[in-house]
This record gives sequence, C-alpha cells and structure tokens, in this order.
Amino acid sequence: DIQMTQSPSTLSASVGDRVIITCRASQTIGTWLAWYQQKPGKAPKLLIYKASTLESGVPSRFSGSGSGTEFTLTISSLQPDDFATYYCQQHDTYSTFGQGTKLEIK
Amino acid sequence: QVQLVQSGAEVKKPGASVKVSCKASGYTFSNYYMHWVRQAPGQGLQWMGVISPSGGSTSYAQKFQGRVTVTRDTSTNTVYMELSSLRSDDTAVYYCARSPGSYGWFDPWGQGTLVTVSS
Repeated sequence: DIQMTQSPSTLSASVGDRVIITCRASQTIGTWLAWYQQKPGKAPKLLIYKASTLESGVPSRFSGSGSGTEFTLTISSLQPDDFATYYCQQHDTYSTFGQGTKLEIK
Repeated sequence: QVQLVQSGAEVKKPGASVKVSCKASGYTFSNYYMHWVRQAPGQGLQWMGVISPSGGSTSYAQKFQGRVTVTRDTSTNTVYMELSSLRSDDTAVYYCARSPGSYGWFDPWGQGTLVTVSS
C-alpha cells in the first residue's frame, strides 16, 4: 500500500500569512494527488486534484505543486474561513489519505 | 446540482451488520464510480472501497476484505455499503464520494452517516 505522510500535523498561523503544507508519498505517484479541506462536522471539500489543478469555485489563494513523491499545498494569504483541517490523497492506486494538518489561528 | 444524500445515523450492537445508502442525483449515474471512506471520531480519513456503477465491479481495501460489501441499484441511482461483524472500533462517520474512476479524486461527498457500535 502507498503511505502518505503530511507535515506538519498542526500549524498555527495568522490571517494574511502564507502557509505551506507538505505531503510525501512512500512511492512515486506521478501527479495523482488531491487536497481536501474539512471543517468540523462537515464532509471534506475538494480543493485541488492532479497535484495542481484548482477545483472550480475554489479561491485562487490556494495552489498545489509537486510530482513523484513530494507535494505541497500553499495558501498565499490566509483568510478567516481557511482555518480547518487539510488532507492529501493519493489516487494513483486506489486511495490513501495523509493523516491531516490542522490549521489553527495563532 | 450534483448531490449525494446518505441514510441516517445508526446504532448497532457488536457483531451486527449495518447497511448505509447513498442516493445520487444531478448527474449520469453510470458515468462515475462511487467510493466509501470512513472517519473515526477525531481521526483521519480511511478509504474502504469502490464500485463501478455501470458493471457493478468492486474493489476493497485489504483491511475490510471479507467484511464490507458495496452494491448499487441503477434503477434508483443508489449505492449501498454493508459492513458486517461490527466492533466498537467501527464507530465512525461513513461517507460516500463520487469519482471519475476507480482511481480518482472525490467530488462531491455525501453528508456522512454516523454509525455507533455499542453494547
């Protein structure tokens, strides 16, 4: 099975900050990676797929990059609505999720 | 608009089975795969399995092999996930999620169904 490791597990930041979340795959997955945002009590919401394609309706402050085994999600200028938990997902071979990164208000 | 509406919360005893439904609307059912993902309280997301809506072929995560069965009813555009031999650590929110393929990103997700396993 492909393992996905996210870092950090928790991130404290302020409105307006630029933040980067990293996801590492245990084997190469090309660009078959997605990012999701989840708020408490809600289903995950797709942000980015195929590593860097922004889902329709998602603000442009979100961006994704990477290929192979190393990937990043960048939020260019944090907004109050962005404080949530973020998950990466490999979709190269079925599906595996990272353990999540909780983005907290500093 | 595309919608996935799941059945309501369930409370089950250890050893029992649970069957959760996911009704799709707003798109051509046969064009997309449906996956099941669960999330234990305070934990991350765990992929369980997938079904092809057209042919009905399935694949399951090794962890759930032999305990999970995913089926579909094309006449009602509904997918079902049945989990048997329930244990307390099966307590979780179970989500269905649409995907362009057996390997793919998930969008949208159902609202989730809480399954509580308790004696």
